[in-house]
Amino acid sequence: ETGVTQTPRHLVMGMTNKKSLKCEQHLGHNAMYWYKQSAKKPLELMFVYNFKEQTENNSVPSRFSPECPNSSHLFLHLHTLQPEDSALYLCASSQGLRENTEAFFGQGTRLTVV
Amino acid sequence: GQNIDQPTEMTATEGAIVQINCTYQTSGFNGLFWYQQHAGEAPTFLSYNVLDGLEEKGRFSSFLSRSKGYSYLLLKELQMKDSASYLCACPSGGYQKVTFGTGTKLQVIP
Repeated sequence: ETGVTQTPRHLVMGMTNKKSLKCEQHLGHNAMYWYKQSAKKPLELMFVYNFKEQTENNSVPSRFSPECPNSSHLFLHLHTLQPEDSALYLCASSQGLRENTEAFFGQGTRLTVV
Repeated sequence: GQNIDQPTEMTATEGAIVQINCTYQTSGFNGLFWYQQHAGEAPTFLSYNVLDGLEEKGRFSSFLSRSKGYSYLLLKELQMKDSASYLCACPSGGYQKVTFGTGTKLQVIP
């Protein structure tokens, strides 16, 4: 139990489907993040939310749509994805956005787009 | 921009010592993180260095040289459970802009 829970753990979806990834943190943090982890590539920061407000969109295609209803929950809505979007999607949270802030990660959702 | 380099894979023997290197080029330095990630699991925080020198935490130590743009993670008395990927990361402009290396996959063999 890492304090950050992601569901589902695995997801297979077609290119015309719409699905959502969910993340919940039980640590009382105010910042939450979505990362993409592809094989043999570095972790890529996608979105950052601080106190429910989006503070960073790292040039992510619009087929990925984040939602942060409160500081404890974060969603990633997916639609019309491409096979190259198949990856591990990691959620993380932290107490603030300072440079020395440790991030706590969830176990990720393994997404396969077919 | 930022660039982080670390070896892709390493193999070491149980009970031995291994050093995992990381070099970075950043437009502004705000410290360096090391994370551990077991296969299929969440990355977990190991260390954060912002000043030069060695910081020790049990079997794990992390070293930083800002003048050389270089860090390493030192693992002593290796155990089989240390088999994992080790990620080097540098934040800039607040945690919002973290650049990660590709990770070093360490395999510990008997």
